[in-house]
Amino acid sequence: KAGVTQTPRYLIKTRGQQVTLSCSPISGHRSVSWYQQTPGQGLQFLFEYFSETQRNKGNFPGRFSGRQFSNSRSEMNVSTLELGDSALYLCASSLVREANIQYFGAGTRLSVL
Amino acid sequence: SQQGEEDPQALSIQEGENATMNCSYKTSINNLQWYRQNSGRGLVHLILIRSNEREKHSGRLRVTLDTSKKSSSLLITASRAADTASYFCATDYGQNFVFGPGTRLSVLP
Repeated sequence: KAGVTQTPRYLIKTRGQQVTLSCSPISGHRSVSWYQQTPGQGLQFLFEYFSETQRNKGNFPGRFSGRQFSNSRSEMNVSTLELGDSALYLCASSLVREANIQYFGAGTRLSVL
Repeated sequence: SQQGEEDPQALSIQEGENATMNCSYKTSINNLQWYRQNSGRGLVHLILIRSNEREKHSGRLRVTLDTSKKSSSLLITASRAADTASYFCATDYGQNFVFGPGTRLSVLP
């Protein structure tokens, strides 16, 4: 079974631009969560989608948004990028029945210049 | 904040030694999980312990949970250089899934 796939792996953007990151979960997994990881703040929860609905949301500004499609693939969008948005963005999928064990992708490294 | 705390922040040991990492959390949980991350890659699930369990084993890993102290520990026995990574505890609050800041483990050959 293929793992969680995140694209692209690396991205360089400039301040003010917007960016869209993509995540394909493990086949059969309906829950997709997004996390931001930085050296200063650690791993912070962004949001979780289940069956195309946002189920939980972390404490991030409205510039961060996401969506999930009917095939469970998910996208995350960040508008009006700031330097502080430079981070590793991780996507994780879960089967939900398995006590919420998260299966992570390799991440997208976003650098904002 | 519901975020847990891990200690130590960094740990350096020799191959063959045991490594112990601790995690504390603030409120009642459904379960607690441990994950490993190699050098800026994705996290890999190691082990899950439910709130009604006190100890679990998986290979060289042993996890304990003390709900009265709101703490957990991860023991890696007979460590190997390949165990070098960051280790995170993650607490499942039902509506929320929160990772601690992690312990960076270095296993020296």
